[in-house]
Amino acid sequence: AQSVTQLDSHVSVSEGTPVLLRCNYSSSYSPSLFWYVQHPNKGLQLLLKYTSAATLVKGINGFEAEFKKSETSFHLTKPSAHMSDAAEYFCVVSDREGFKTIFGAGTRLFVKA
Amino acid sequence: EAGVAQSPRYKIIEKRQSVAFWCNPISGHATLYWYQQILGQGPKLLIQFQNNGVVDDSQLPKDRFSAERLKGVDSTLKIQPAKLEDSAVYLCASSRTGSGSPLHFGNGTRLTVT
Repeated sequence: AQSVTQLDSHVSVSEGTPVLLRCNYSSSYSPSLFWYVQHPNKGLQLLLKYTSAATLVKGINGFEAEFKKSETSFHLTKPSAHMSDAAEYFCVVSDREGFKTIFGAGTRLFVKA
Repeated sequence: EAGVAQSPRYKIIEKRQSVAFWCNPISGHATLYWYQQILGQGPKLLIQFQNNGVVDDSQLPKDRFSAERLKGVDSTLKIQPAKLEDSAVYLCASSRTGSGSPLHFGNGTRLTVT
């Protein structure tokens, strides 16, 4: 069975400081992993995905994530936060065929000026 | 490419009334999903279609919710009768079939049941 746990419901950072949003997963298969972002009153947008190629994945808006199989983690990072990064972030695990896709509960990122 | 289209954007109904949502996926996407997102929570899968067949509807409250995907393209999700706890955003998504295919989401329908 698959599951995904986002370890923090809220994260608050100052503008210009690094961002770390944590995600752990469990899967019986070799999973595909995704991060999505949801700005207020907007739809969900794909940030990046991991599908068994390079373990360090670069996404849009300067975000990246590293797949660590030994730690079953897929944490999302950004070197320097911007005010426009304030949003809800979802970690998602999917089996290879895409027949089972599970969302985490989400992490709300606050960015202080 | 055109994105996933959903309508209506907002809907307000009274409890025990019925409501229907419509979704047009991205052309060529075989997989279509309906998610329910309650305020402050992550999206919960209600039903997943592969072409016009149901792959997963294990979390669909079948006594009141129904969904169909006509000819493997458009889809409708219906609630009858609605309850207060159905107030949520209903998201439609589509994807290609295959390894690592990301989901493409519509803007959702915000349902308020009073």
